[in-house]
Amino acid sequence: EPEVTQTPSHQVTQMGQEVILRCVPISNHLYFYWYRQILGQKVEFLVSFYNNEISEKSEIFDDQFSVERPDGSNFTLKIRSTKLEDSAMYFCASQISIGGHRDTGELFFGEGSRLTVL
Amino acid sequence: AQKITQTQPGMFVQEKEAVTLDCTYDTSDQSYGLFWYKQPSSGEMIFLIYQGSYDEQNATEGRYSLNFQKARKSANLVISASQLGDSAMYFCAMRTEDRDDKIIFGKGTRLHILP
Repeated sequence: EPEVTQTPSHQVTQMGQEVILRCVPISNHLYFYWYRQILGQKVEFLVSFYNNEISEKSEIFDDQFSVERPDGSNFTLKIRSTKLEDSAMYFCASQISIGGHRDTGELFFGEGSRLTVL
Repeated sequence: AQKITQTQPGMFVQEKEAVTLDCTYDTSDQSYGLFWYKQPSSGEMIFLIYQGSYDEQNATEGRYSLNFQKARKSANLVISASQLGDSAMYFCAMRTEDRDDKIIFGKGTRLHILP
């Protein structure tokens, strides 16, 4: 069964360092997302990406964050200068389509990358 | 504004009993979709069930059913004959037609199944 894969599964970094989280979405999917989940809290939307550009981003996704799809298969999230509050589990997700009211438009999630900022 | 509310932070249920996890939503859109995801302790997000706003019948997937009450804007998840493996965090989520490329999540309900 196709799946979304994420690397690394866990990264520990010093505050102020740059971090890149990598995701390989399912190959025929067209819509890509990053979500984050601070330990024990809700899953928060960060950004959506379609047709090689950001289609929507949340207020969390400030200038320290960026996304890229450099080679048509990887989808990366970069945090330029990490802060303590960036410590969270980061989930990548993809969809084949956004769906209509008769289509689930199911999000397929990766297993997450846990980021710990010290 | 789009919003998902899960009012039960935690629940304890005896094994083999049915359990209902509450979810209410707020949207002004006529067309939207409602999802439930399960997050076990391993952290992965597992899709359980989907209900479209125009679907006349409640969605069912095995032991999972979605009690969709459109007028009340509620989309409760019902798990029949609960099992120990159902212990997990459960998230209700919504996608609306005018924000199709974003799915928003509730805060989740942690379900504990007791042997």
